[in-house]
Amino acid sequence: NAGVTQTPKFQVLKTGQSMTLQCAQDMNHEYMSWYRQDPGMGLRLIHYSVGAGITDQGEVPNGYNVSRSTTEDFPLRLLSAAPSQTSVYFCASSYSRNSGANVLTFGAGSRLTVL
Amino acid sequence: AQSVTQLGSHVSVSEGALVLLRCNYSSSVPPYLFWYVQYPNQGLQLLLKYTTGATLVKGINGFEAEFKKSETSFHLTKPSAHMSDAAEYFCAVSETGGYNKLIFGAGTRLAVHP
Repeated sequence: NAGVTQTPKFQVLKTGQSMTLQCAQDMNHEYMSWYRQDPGMGLRLIHYSVGAGITDQGEVPNGYNVSRSTTEDFPLRLLSAAPSQTSVYFCASSYSRNSGANVLTFGAGSRLTVL
Repeated sequence: AQSVTQLGSHVSVSEGALVLLRCNYSSSVPPYLFWYVQYPNQGLQLLLKYTTGATLVKGINGFEAEFKKSETSFHLTKPSAHMSDAAEYFCAVSETGGYNKLIFGAGTRLAVHP
């Protein structure tokens, strides 16, 4: 089925460990993004990409790295996990990068706990 | 900078009652406005959006929202709540002419009781 696929669904890390959250879409979407969802704070944009090789920071980028080597994939890397990064992470994509009116398609989320 | 305020983190209604979820935004330019819904343990899906034209927007599952520029509001309504409407609802805004950098409100959790 076409859509946005996130892996893993659940992950527990110790402080200081590194990991990568994977995101893949098969809809040939130009725009991809990562959000984190925390209780009472809604979703906050971490990083986004408007095409292969092009990424930029969102509202809360510190502690996270991204890259976009292909149109399909947009991994999110935590280099040294901290308890403050405990959250639910969502990847979202849209067809065109050129309009804020486009609808985002969301993945099912990845729940990360940092001890 | 853009921001979105959703009044009421929790709303509880009876089945069959009116649903009203409030959303106010701030934006220096005319925005695009969205309502997304999140069912338990799922990602977000679009309910409806306003871009241009008619200010009353109809969405899925009987929901609608009205863009009121003078009040900077985009409240979500449904005439008659159903048990299946229990979910978390997010209002979001993005700038015209920009990328899909949505700014989300904190969310409103809707409970529907018999």
